[in-house]
Amino acid sequence: DQQVKQNSPSLSVQEGRISILNCDYTNSMFDYFLWYKKYPAEGPTFLISISSIKDKNEDGRFTVFLNKSAKHLSLHIVPSQPGDSAVYFCAASANTDKLIFGTGTRLQVFP
Amino acid sequence: SQTIHQWPATLVQPVGSPLSLECTVEGTSNPNLYWYRQAAGRGLQLLFYSVGIGQISSEVPQNLSASRPQDRQFILSSKKLLLSDSGFYLCAWNRDRLNQPQHFGDGTRLSIL
Repeated sequence: DQQVKQNSPSLSVQEGRISILNCDYTNSMFDYFLWYKKYPAEGPTFLISISSIKDKNEDGRFTVFLNKSAKHLSLHIVPSQPGDSAVYFCAASANTDKLIFGTGTRLQVFP
Repeated sequence: SQTIHQWPATLVQPVGSPLSLECTVEGTSNPNLYWYRQAAGRGLQLLFYSVGIGQISSEVPQNLSASRPQDRQFILSSKKLLLSDSGFYLCAWNRDRLNQPQHFGDGTRLSIL
């Protein structure tokens, strides 16, 4: 049972435009959500997080939106840059240290 | 600042051989420690986590074991590797407080022949 789902395995965006990565979850007990970025042969790097008491968190070019009623979160990257090309994982936890990860979305930013 | 080290970066082992992967964290004390595996084309699967020395929780039944002999050292082991143990193994840590992001090492690419 995949509790955290990233239904788009890949996304291609032109440099300077907005990248929107989506994530859906099924467990209504999840209260903390994170996005990670991963380059090949490296470990994931933490990008941004949001707790369930908020619906938006912004850090520079990265903004995470949380829609609890829809059990959906998204990561917006604007403007997108070629260095943003990587695999992005969303993750969630339910009042615990353990994270449940999605399967990832490969973002390619082209010139 | 805190850093996490994993080694080796890559490893090729024959089926049936033993395994020992090591992870150490610097710059913090009493971290939570985690071992994940990323199989090809899949997400990160939590294998083990530890909240203290000698305290190991296993998330999935498998051919692997974990140990935490020191506060900032986490070891992933196997007595006899299987072909299905191939994958990318990641160690992570976070602070022992709720809702703290986990920070990952650079991983070990394990290939079983």
